[in-house]
Amino acid sequence: AQSVTQLGSHVSVSEGALVLLRCNYSSSVPPYLFWYVQYPNQGLQLLLKYTSAATLVKGINGFEAEFKKSETSFHLTKPSAHMSDAAEYFCAVRVQGAQKLVFGQGTRLTINP
Amino acid sequence: EPEVTQTPSHQVTQMGQEVILRCVPISNHLYFYWYRQILGQKVEFLVSFYNNEISEKSEIFDDQFSVERPDGSNFTLKIRSTKLEDSAMYFCASSEFREQYEQYFGPGTRLTVT
Repeated sequence: AQSVTQLGSHVSVSEGALVLLRCNYSSSVPPYLFWYVQYPNQGLQLLLKYTSAATLVKGINGFEAEFKKSETSFHLTKPSAHMSDAAEYFCAVRVQGAQKLVFGQGTRLTINP
Repeated sequence: EPEVTQTPSHQVTQMGQEVILRCVPISNHLYFYWYRQILGQKVEFLVSFYNNEISEKSEIFDDQFSVERPDGSNFTLKIRSTKLEDSAMYFCASSEFREQYEQYFGPGTRLTVT
């Protein structure tokens, strides 16, 4: 069965610093991978997705993620953090042939001024 | 931009009561989903719905849960006899097609069972 592990339930960076949120997946078949962001009192908003095209995926708000099959990873990065990036970030996997998304436990990103 | 809407935003109910959570998916989407997130835990899949029937469900989605698309726009989740452990944020989502296309999520309904 597929699963997702997000290393670090809480990440804190300074404004302007690199953001790196880690996600590793487990899947016996090629997956589709997603990063969602949840701002306080809001729903889940898609940041970016990997669907077997380019391994480096660019998303909204300056975020990007790289699919590395050999490492079964899909880490999310942003070169320079902004205060508005403070939110909870969820990595999710969807296996070909299935409909459900399987989520990681989420990482809360805090930005220090 | 089209969005998924959910009502109510917060529902408080007593144990044993029935609740209906409502969702309006994006109008041209064909697949509909319910997820839940118990406080401090992962977002968990409950059920997916396509062509007026359940297409996939999790072990959480037992006989006390049901889903319905009563008209061309609404998608509902009914919990027949609520338990304390049903307290969670319930998210509705929709997607245009299977697999490749992302699921668009609503803002959620916070259900509190007392």
